[in-house]
Amino acid sequence: EAGVTQFPSHSVIEKGQTVTLRCDPISGHDNLYWYRRVMGKEIKFLLHFVKESKQDESGMPNNRFLAERTGGTYSTLKVQPAELEDSGVYFCASSRTENTEAFFGQGTRLTVV
Amino acid sequence: AQTVTQSQPEMSVQEAETVTLSCTYDTSESDYYLFWYKQPPSRQMILVIRQEAYKQQNATENRFSVNFQKAAKSFSLKISDSQLGDAAMYFCAYRSAWDAGANSKLTFGKGITLSVRP
Repeated sequence: EAGVTQFPSHSVIEKGQTVTLRCDPISGHDNLYWYRRVMGKEIKFLLHFVKESKQDESGMPNNRFLAERTGGTYSTLKVQPAELEDSGVYFCASSRTENTEAFFGQGTRLTVV
Repeated sequence: AQTVTQSQPEMSVQEAETVTLSCTYDTSESDYYLFWYKQPPSRQMILVIRQEAYKQQNATENRFSVNFQKAAKSFSLKISDSQLGDAAMYFCAYRSAWDAGANSKLTFGKGITLSVRP
C-alpha cells in the first residue's frame, strides 16, 4: 500500500510568485491534514479535510493560502503570492478516521527568496 | 489552547545506551492522547508510541517506553539499547480526545534532534 505522497519534495520560488503543493493521501483515508514547520519552530496545524469538506481551517495563516481537495482524493495547497515568511516544510497527513493513526508524507520544503 | 514544550533541541547517546527525551504539555482537558513521532533525515515522520491519558499504565513498544506523569503534565520517551537507526528528529504531540471531528489535529513541540554515536 502506498503511503502519503507529497509533491514536490523541494520548491524554491521568488517572493510574489505562486506555488502549489500537492498531497496524495493513503487510499481510503477520508481525513487529510496539512501542517507547516517553520525553521526552528513547532509543527503547526493548518487545516483538516474530511473527504472534500474543510472540517477545520483555523490554522490557515491568511487568505494567501488556499487548500482544496477535489473529489475527496488528493489535496492541493496553493500559496499566492508567496512571502518570505512562508518558507518552511509543509507536511500532509492522512487517517482513515479522526481517531485512528495519522500517517505523514515526507513533506515539501518551500523556500521563498 | 494546548501547548507542547520540548526544551532540549539536541541530544546525543552512545550506541547500546539508554536515552530519555523530555516533553511537557499544558492543557485544561482531562482526556487526551500523547504521541512521540520520529522523523529520520529526509524520510517520513512515523509514529513511535501513543499514550491515552486515562490509562495509568505507561505505554511501551519494544525498546521505546514512556514515563507519563499526568499530574505533572510530563511525557518523556525512553529509548533503550540505542541503535544507529534511532538517529532522527523526535516530536512530542498532543491530541484532544473530545469531539474528535473538530479536535483531531495534533499539537506538536519543536522537536529534538537525537544523534547516536557508534
